[in-house]
Amino acid sequence: KAGVTQTPRYLIKTRGQQVTLSCSPISGHRSVSWYQQTPGQGLQFLFEYFSETQRNKGNFPGRFSGRQFSNSRSEMNVSTLELGDSALYLCASSQNGRGVTDTQYFGPGTRLTVL
Amino acid sequence: GEDVEQSLFLSVREGDSSVINCTYTDSSSTYLYWYKQEPGAGLQLLTYIFSNMDMKQDQRLTVLLNKKDKHLSLRIADTQTGDSAIYFCAESINNDMRFGAGTRLTVKP
Repeated sequence: KAGVTQTPRYLIKTRGQQVTLSCSPISGHRSVSWYQQTPGQGLQFLFEYFSETQRNKGNFPGRFSGRQFSNSRSEMNVSTLELGDSALYLCASSQNGRGVTDTQYFGPGTRLTVL
Repeated sequence: GEDVEQSLFLSVREGDSSVINCTYTDSSSTYLYWYKQEPGAGLQLLTYIFSNMDMKQDQRLTVLLNKKDKHLSLRIADTQTGDSAIYFCAESINNDMRFGAGTRLTVKP
């Protein structure tokens, strides 16, 4: 099976702009989670989508949003970018959901740089 | 505390064993995971252990779990330069996953 893919791999934006990141899960996986990874804060959970519905949400402002399509592909959007949004954004897919018996598989990430 | 804790750095010589330690937070954690992240890449699932197990071995990797102390360790036998990476410990609780800050393993030739 192909792994989790994320596009683009690298992105450079300026403050105030908005950005959309894409994630394609492993075939058959219905849950997609998004994480932000920064040197200072480590790995932080953004949100999880399952069957096109946001099922869990981390502690991030409303500028961070996402959606999931019927084929389980997911997009994450960040509006009004700030310098502090510079990070590696990781997407992870699993069959049914985070934790418990369901193992997450991570994509390579999208490195976003905000200038 | 509420954090999954790991030491930040570990340096070993090629051929030696590496032991990366982790303290997790919740005794009700169901699964505990070890992920590896190489430069510029996402997280790669290395191995996981169910909370009712004490040990799991997979080729060069050995995971030890001490539930009483909430302590998890990852031992890499015969460490190679290709093992240089950041290793993340993670726990799953109900429908949540918590990650440690990662341990940067440096393998010297």
